[in-house]
Amino acid sequence: SQQGEEDPQALSIQEGENATMNCSYKTSINNLQWYRQNSGRGLVHLILIRSNEREKHSGRLRVTLDTSKKSSSLLITASRAADTASYFCATVKFSGGYNKLIFGAGTRLAVHP
Amino acid sequence: DAGVTQSPTHLIKTRGQQVTLRCSPKSGHDTVSWYQQALGQGPQFIFQYYEEEERQRGNFPDRFSGHQFPNYSSELNVNALLLGDSALYLCASSLAGGSGYNEQFFGPGTRLTVL
Repeated sequence: SQQGEEDPQALSIQEGENATMNCSYKTSINNLQWYRQNSGRGLVHLILIRSNEREKHSGRLRVTLDTSKKSSSLLITASRAADTASYFCATVKFSGGYNKLIFGAGTRLAVHP
Repeated sequence: DAGVTQSPTHLIKTRGQQVTLRCSPKSGHDTVSWYQQALGQGPQFIFQYYEEEERQRGNFPDRFSGHQFPNYSSELNVNALLLGDSALYLCASSLAGGSGYNEQFFGPGTRLTVL
């Protein structure tokens, strides 16, 4: 079973609007990562936030992490049609130096021109 | 600098057959992980190889096996294929170091269809 649960499952917005996706997880983690996937192809790493961090920015992306609520959010500001993709959160729990990613089911974002 | 490459891109097999998927990691990377992504789902961890040994394994049956070669490339083998094995198989490479913060770089995936 998967660790993360994304919300919403699908999101449809207009260009220029902000998109917010949420992720919840069940067990303690060392870090949480967000990935993007276009049309069922390979995943592209967007941002990593460590368990002792609360917020991180990268360009138009803003990620928050609340370890007390076991949740994270990804905000994409001023969205563009090219942002249309599926977005996944993935958690990492260190295990003897070998770390696997546990993914949620993803949010499918559609940005309309 | 080539990223992670996978072959083949697409594959069609019938139930009961065996399949081998291949992955070449990003230059400089020594760890390879494999993930299975069913349609509409997130990727699920299959296993991870480092120094030619399986280091971690997800909840997959023994029909799924792998190998890592001295040049760090890797193969995923699936025996006795089932319809439910139809999925996108993703390979990811990273650099081991124990920090856990090393980014995993994903390949484009191999789309396996089992008929």
